[in-house]
Amino acid sequence: GAVVSQHPSWVICKSGTSVKIECRSLDFQATTMFWYRQFPKQSLMLMATSNEGSKATYEQGVEKDKFLINHASLTLSTLTVTSAHPEDSSFYICSARSTPGQGLPIYGYTFGSGTRLTVV
Amino acid sequence: GENVEQHPSTLSVQEGDSAVIKCTYSDSASNYFPWYKQELGKGPQLIIDIRSNVGEKKDQRIAVTLNKTAKHFSLHITETQPEDSAVYFCAASPMTGGGNKLTFGTGTQLKVEL
Repeated sequence: GAVVSQHPSWVICKSGTSVKIECRSLDFQATTMFWYRQFPKQSLMLMATSNEGSKATYEQGVEKDKFLINHASLTLSTLTVTSAHPEDSSFYICSARSTPGQGLPIYGYTFGSGTRLTVV
Repeated sequence: GENVEQHPSTLSVQEGDSAVIKCTYSDSASNYFPWYKQELGKGPQLIIDIRSNVGEKKDQRIAVTLNKTAKHFSLHITETQPEDSAVYFCAASPMTGGGNKLTFGTGTQLKVEL
């Protein structure tokens, strides 16, 4: 089945530094990946949609210069939180969407295991 | 855009009882409705999904029903077990178009008590 690997699973960084989170589709190609943010006891909020080889599409209210997304290959997307501040502390989750012809559920979404970011 | 409402926010059942979680959606273009289980500190895991061309789908103790006319769908868990305790999210998406965005419900904390 489809597997999405997300690293790191947790990270603590100092305020003002940048943090990169990786999301890889291990056994399928994902032309589209999604990045979510989740606060405690809340639902997943879509931050941006990432298409391979093109610029990400950000949801309203998400700062594209703060949350840099790169989707350079069909199996890798990265989210970089730049100049992180304590209010950026959250659980970040990526998702990859399978497309027809790969022997997987058509248009299924597979989620990574999430990254707990703590900015101190 | 799509809006998904989910009820209840918390649900407590006795082991062996059934649990039902209900969701409504607003966008008639949505035709893919997955349900996810999320354990603490982990990413969501797909437990069952349904597409708009069917009204019901079952996988062992889990079933999902869809009423496209009323724009609502429900998750049914029978013979609940303690390991079913988790947060459950419904979601809706158009399979094509709309940016293929998956819109989530607000989640239901299910607690199965011994």
